[in-house]
Amino acid sequence: DIQMTQSPSTLSASVGDRVSITCRASQNVGNWLAWYQQKPGNAPKLLIYKASTLESGVPSRFSGSGSGTEFTLTISSLQPDDFATYYCQQYSTYSPWPFGQGTKVEIK
Amino acid sequence: QVQLVQSGAEVKKPGSSVKVSCKASGATFSSYAISWVRQAPGQGLEWMGRVIPTSGSTNYAHSVQGRITMTADESTSTAYMELSSLRSEDTAVYYCTRVVNFYYYIDVWGEGTTVTVSS
Repeated sequence: DIQMTQSPSTLSASVGDRVSITCRASQNVGNWLAWYQQKPGNAPKLLIYKASTLESGVPSRFSGSGSGTEFTLTISSLQPDDFATYYCQQYSTYSPWPFGQGTKVEIK
Repeated sequence: QVQLVQSGAEVKKPGSSVKVSCKASGATFSSYAISWVRQAPGQGLEWMGRVIPTSGSTNYAHSVQGRITMTADESTSTAYMELSSLRSEDTAVYYCTRVVNFYYYIDVWGEGTTVTVSS
């Protein structure tokens, strides 16, 4: 089975900072990767799919890149609403579809 | 605007079963699968499996294989997840989600159902 590993687990940053989160797959997943944002007490929300396609309504400060086994989620200028936990998930195989362990973005 | 409305919180005894429902409003099940994702307290997201409502085809995660059954009723646009032989480790929020094109990404999430397993 494919394993997904995110780094870092926690990221401390300030409003206005450019931040990047890395997601690595144990096998080639092509560009079949999605990113989700979750705020405490809420369900996750889709940000990016197919590695780099922004979901409708998601601010353009979010971007995704990568293919194969290494992917990056970048927030170009961190806003107060962006402090949350971010997860990647691969969907290149029929099953299973593991998530990364999550990256918590905290206020510095 | 499609919404996935889940059934209410459950408290169950170890060894019992729980069945959670998920009704889609604002859209039908055609061209979508329903997957279930759970999140234990303070932990990350765990994909549990997927059901394709139009065919009934399922895929389950190894961690719950043998204890889980996912079904869907197209006529009522309602999906179900039943988990048996419950253990304390099954205490979690259970989310139903909509999967684009049966095998693509998750684009819609339900609000979550809290299942507590306690003696």
